[in-house]
Amino acid sequence: TQLLEQSPQFLSIQEGENLTVYCNSSSVFSSLQWYRQEPGEGPVLLVTVVTGGEVKKLKRLTFQFGDARKDSSLHITAAQPGDTGLYLCAGARNAGNNRKLIWGLGTSLAVNP
Amino acid sequence: ETGVTQTPRHLVMGMTNKKSLKCEQHLGHNAMYWYKQSAKKPLELMFVYSLEERVENNSVPSRFSPECPNSSHLFLHLHTLQPEDSALYLCASSQTRGSYEQYFGPGTRLTVT
Repeated sequence: TQLLEQSPQFLSIQEGENLTVYCNSSSVFSSLQWYRQEPGEGPVLLVTVVTGGEVKKLKRLTFQFGDARKDSSLHITAAQPGDTGLYLCAGARNAGNNRKLIWGLGTSLAVNP
Repeated sequence: ETGVTQTPRHLVMGMTNKKSLKCEQHLGHNAMYWYKQSAKKPLELMFVYSLEERVENNSVPSRFSPECPNSSHLFLHLHTLQPEDSALYLCASSQTRGSYEQYFGPGTRLTVT
């Protein structure tokens, strides 16, 4: 069972376009992270959102955590080829003494010059 | 110094070989992780070490054997692997086990023939 759904799975756009990718779940998370993974490298943490409704900006990237803390979106303005990569979201859940990160499958983004 | 380093970056091994993957973190973190990344699957957490003690083993076959000699180094010893074990093996670290923000190494691309 895939607990974190990311959409779209693949996205190919031209430089300068705007885009939004989504991370959805039926479960509530205590926090949610977005990572970018470039080919041949490990994921790199972009942002952590904690509060329902929270919006964080990182240059041309805008991250939003849903009010109910079940979903999140990432909006990129004026995409550049350097934005190409796999965007992964990971939701954090507390379960008693256990803490777990639930990972999505990712959105593979290609920005063409 | 790069935060988290992994060697080798690529490894091809036969099913009867024994090899080891190495991870080193230069971030002063207390928790380290091994993940497996396969196509069309979310990141799979294999092992968690906190202050050099293994605190989590997620039903990983015994042909994978982790070792954490100190808080900066993590190894994954491999023996009699199967072709389905071919994947990208990622090491990560975090400040503490309870910190969800993880810092990944570049990974070892493993091919079992």
